[in-house]
Order: sequence, then C-alpha cells, then structure tokens
Amino acid sequence: NAGVTQTPKFRILKIGQSMTLQCTQDMNHNYMYWYRQDPGMGLKLIYYSVGAGITDKGEVPNGYNVSRSTTEDFPLRLELAAPSQTSVYFCASKANRTAYGYTFGSGTRLTVV
Amino acid sequence: GQQLNQSPQSMFIQEGEDVSMNCTSSSIFNTWLWYKQEPGEGPVLLIALYKAGELTSNGRLTAQFGITRKDSFLNISASIPSDVGIYFCAGQRFGANSKLTFGKGITLSVRP
Repeated sequence: NAGVTQTPKFRILKIGQSMTLQCTQDMNHNYMYWYRQDPGMGLKLIYYSVGAGITDKGEVPNGYNVSRSTTEDFPLRLELAAPSQTSVYFCASKANRTAYGYTFGSGTRLTVV
Repeated sequence: GQQLNQSPQSMFIQEGEDVSMNCTSSSIFNTWLWYKQEPGEGPVLLIALYKAGELTSNGRLTAQFGITRKDSFLNISASIPSDVGIYFCAGQRFGANSKLTFGKGITLSVRP
C-alpha cells in the first residue's frame, strides 16, 4: 500500500525555470493538499482540492498552479521559479470532509538558485 | 492565516526524562491532532482527539483535548533517542472544507 507518493525527492532549479512536482495517492481519497515547509515556520497551505476537477487557493498560492484531472493525481506547477520558492513541499490527502487528519507524502526538497 | 501557538521552538532533554508540549489557539477546534516528523520524511499522525476533555494514549505518548477546545497537550514519557523529531499540533474544524491548521512545530532533541 503506497499511500501518498511524491516525485522527485530533490530538485535544483535555476531562477525562471519551470517544473511540476508530482503527487499521486492510491487510497481513493477525495481531498488533497499541497503544503510548503520552511525552517521554523511550520506548514503553509498552497492549494487544495476536494475532488477531481475542483481546486482552491490556500494561504500562499502566488507563483504556483495546480490541476486535479483525476482522483489520484494532484500535480503542483511552478511556472517561473524564484529563490523564495526554495522549500520542502509536501502533498497530503484525506478520504472526505469528515475524515480526521491527513496522510502525507515524504516531500520534495526544492532549491532555486 | 491563523496558526496554532507552539513554543518553545526547540527542546533538549535527557534520555529517560518525560517531556510535555502544549498547543494553544484563540479559537475553537473540533478535532486536535499531533504529528511527528522525522528528518527527510513527511509528518506522521501520532494521536487524534475528538472531544473536549478527552485523554488518549499511544504507547509512551499521552495527549489531551482541552476543556475549552482551544488547547491540547502532548506528553512523552521515558524518552528514548528515537523520539527526536519535530512535533506538530494541528486543529481541525468541520465545514469550511475542514482544512487542518498547524502549529510551527517543536524540535525535540534527546541526549543519550
């Protein structure tokens, strides 16, 4: 049972480059989330989705885009990478509105230079 | 956005000691959760609490949901080296797409 899988684990980007962080879950969860984690700052919500075809902004959406064409996949797109986007990114999911807690992936560490 | 209050940012204890962490909020939550994050990994759920006053244990971990529903604490007894990591509290309300609100986390170090 894979749970939430994120790829890649590490990536270095140059300023202005684009990339997509992949997230897939095999638990048939409806709700999916993207967080970024910066040292001492906890987890900040970037975007979330309550089901296929539905996405919404979190606290810090600027510079990012998402799509949710299937229940399983929730990719996060960075269009023009900036040093401020250097962070560790976590994808998470839960089954439905009343389910407690999330299942997290193991993260993608992104450095923008 | 709102965050939960966890302090201090770091704690250093001796192996075998007990440690308590608390988490406070200015508003009410329906569910409180505690997560642990080890280096290079995502947070893993330790304990979930569903009603005010509830006290729940998971091995050496005990957590309580505060009576006011605005706080929670986590206690780790007889600490061991593998307890090192970042401990996050999280609160959840139903409705508003029931997103979790996280604290900033406490980094725990255990000296052997």
